[in-house]
Parts: sequence; C-alpha cells; structure tokens
Amino acid sequence: DAGVIQSPRHEVTEMGQEVTLRCKPISGHDYLFWYRQTMMRGLELLIYFNNNVPIDDSGMPEDRFSAKMPNASFSTLKIQPSEPRDSAVYFCASSLRGRASGNTIYFGEGSWLTVV
Amino acid sequence: QKEVEQNSGPLSVPEGAIASLNCTYSDRVSQSFFWYRQYSGKSPELIMSIYSNGDKEDGRFTAQLNKASQYVSLLIRDSQPSDSATYLCAVATSGSARQLTFGSGTQLTVLP
Repeated sequence: DAGVIQSPRHEVTEMGQEVTLRCKPISGHDYLFWYRQTMMRGLELLIYFNNNVPIDDSGMPEDRFSAKMPNASFSTLKIQPSEPRDSAVYFCASSLRGRASGNTIYFGEGSWLTVV
Repeated sequence: QKEVEQNSGPLSVPEGAIASLNCTYSDRVSQSFFWYRQYSGKSPELIMSIYSNGDKEDGRFTAQLNKASQYVSLLIRDSQPSDSATYLCAVATSGSARQLTFGSGTQLTVLP
C-alpha cells in the first residue's frame, strides 16, 4: 500500500494568500484526520472525518481554516487568508474502524507550510 | 492543565542502557494508549499500543499502563543510536475512540 499521500510536501507563500493542502488516505480506511504540529503547541487535531462526513472540527483554529472530503480517497485543508502564525507542519492521517485495527492511525509525510 | 503530559527532555542515555519515558493523562475514562516515534523531519509512526493495566512487551520495547495512577510509560531496552527520536504519548479521549490527544513528546538521544 502506498500509505497516506500528502501534497504539497513543502510550500512557501505570502501572507494573505490562499493555501490548499491535499491528502489521499490509505485505500479502505474510513477515518481521516488533519493534524497540525508546531514547536510551541505540539501535535494538535484540527478535524476528523468518518466516511467522508466531518465529525469533530473543534480543533480548527479559525474560520480561515476549512476542510472538505468530497469522496473516500481525497481531502483538502484550506487556509484563506494565510497568516505567518499558520506556519507549521500539517499532517493528514487515516485509520480503519474495527478491533483488529487497534485504533492504529497512519500518518502521511506532512506538508511543511511557511507563510512569510 | 494539559490532557497528556510528558517530560520534554532531552533525555540522554548511553548505548545499551534502558531508556524510560513517562506520560500522564487527565481523562480518567481514557481507554487506549499509544506510543509514537518521530524522527526529526519525519511523520509519527506507531511503535506500541496498550489497552489494559500491566506490561506489554514487543521486542526491545515495553509499554506499562497504570490506569489508577493515570500514567503510561515506555521502556526501551538495549538502547541504540537509531532509537534517538522524539517519542509521543497519545491517548484516545473519552469522546471518541478515533480521536487521539498527543503529549508534547520527549526527545531521546542515545549516545554511542
């Protein structure tokens, strides 16, 4: 399996620009998570989906952040407008429901975002 | 108070020694506990999960869980320089078994 695939791997953008991060979960996984990691705040859950439906978006910091999952194999996290404090590594992760899976969450390689 | 707390380190141990990493959590009804390893510039990868009180061993790794005291630990025996990484403790919160809360991580360095 190819694992969780994220793009872009690195992005540098100017403040005020729109940023779109993309994710393809592992085929067959029914949960998808977006996490953000910074030195100051560690790894934070932003939002997660179950069967393409957003379940909990309480971690989304502001209205500037939005996430969609139009189908089982694709999700986006959008920041509009971006600000320097959004600079972080954004991880997408997926998992499969069921006792056998043991709640194992698999992470993508991350999207490194720098807003200048 | 953070929900999941870890000593940030850095923790340094000599090669071949036992590295002990600790984690405490605040939600008493948490049911699932995980240790992730994250190399610098890489994504977290799961190395251990534990659900019941006691010890769980997997190779050189042993996870220990004490729900009464609300702590979980990870022991790494015969530490190797390749074990040098940040270790993240994660707890499945009571709201959903699919939602993990991570500690801030402990940076481990194994000295050759």
